[in-house]
Amino acid sequence: QLQLQESGPGLVKPSETLSLTCSVSSGSISSSHYYWGWIRQPPGKGLEWIGTIYYSGSTYYKSSLKSRVTISVDTSNNQFSLKLSSVTAADTAVYYCSRHGPPGTAFDIWGQGTMVTVSS
Amino acid sequence: EIVLTQSPGTLSLSPGERATLSCRASQSVSSSYLAWYQQKPGQAPRLLIYGASSRATGIPDRFSGSGSGTDFTLTISRLEPEDFAVYYCQQYGASPPMYTFGQGTKLEIK
Repeated sequence: QLQLQESGPGLVKPSETLSLTCSVSSGSISSSHYYWGWIRQPPGKGLEWIGTIYYSGSTYYKSSLKSRVTISVDTSNNQFSLKLSSVTAADTAVYYCSRHGPPGTAFDIWGQGTMVTVSS
Repeated sequence: EIVLTQSPGTLSLSPGERATLSCRASQSVSSSYLAWYQQKPGQAPRLLIYGASSRATGIPDRFSGSGSGTDFTLTISRLEPEDFAVYYCQQYGASPPMYTFGQGTKLEIK
């Protein structure tokens, strides 16, 4: 069964860049059938999709975050990454990586999530 | 951007009862692109329903989804103790391509 695992700093200072990596195991990120996404959840709040990447490198992002978000893929290491620049306290959240099929399909496998706090 | 509004915000029921959760979209959504998730405290969301009415792998048949257009429903026929959690609906819009989630319905034990 394919598994996803997020990793990265748990604390980021305001105005800096948040960087997270999602490692894919027991499966290939280069599968033509799947896309890979990032979703976040502020404490006590709901889910927010951030963006999605295909193994070829094509991406699409939530419009309101687009200016600050970069998602990239590293097929040789079977992982993909999230960078969110100019962070504020509003970016404090649990960040999940996830998998879905072709655009429009549901997120069927999720990582356990990693808490990122933005604070000086 | 399509907005999903879930109701009620909190639903208090007893084990064995039937639960009906609503998800209303601000404009018409393709049924193929409507999903439901369950989330328990400290855990990642779990996919329950995709394509508005298809159960994901391993999901018990007491969970069912229905609806079309702007109104969708998740029904749990007979609540088990492990079903008390937060439920989210989610849709995909193609122009521009993006996913959105509802704000969630908390299903609590009465």
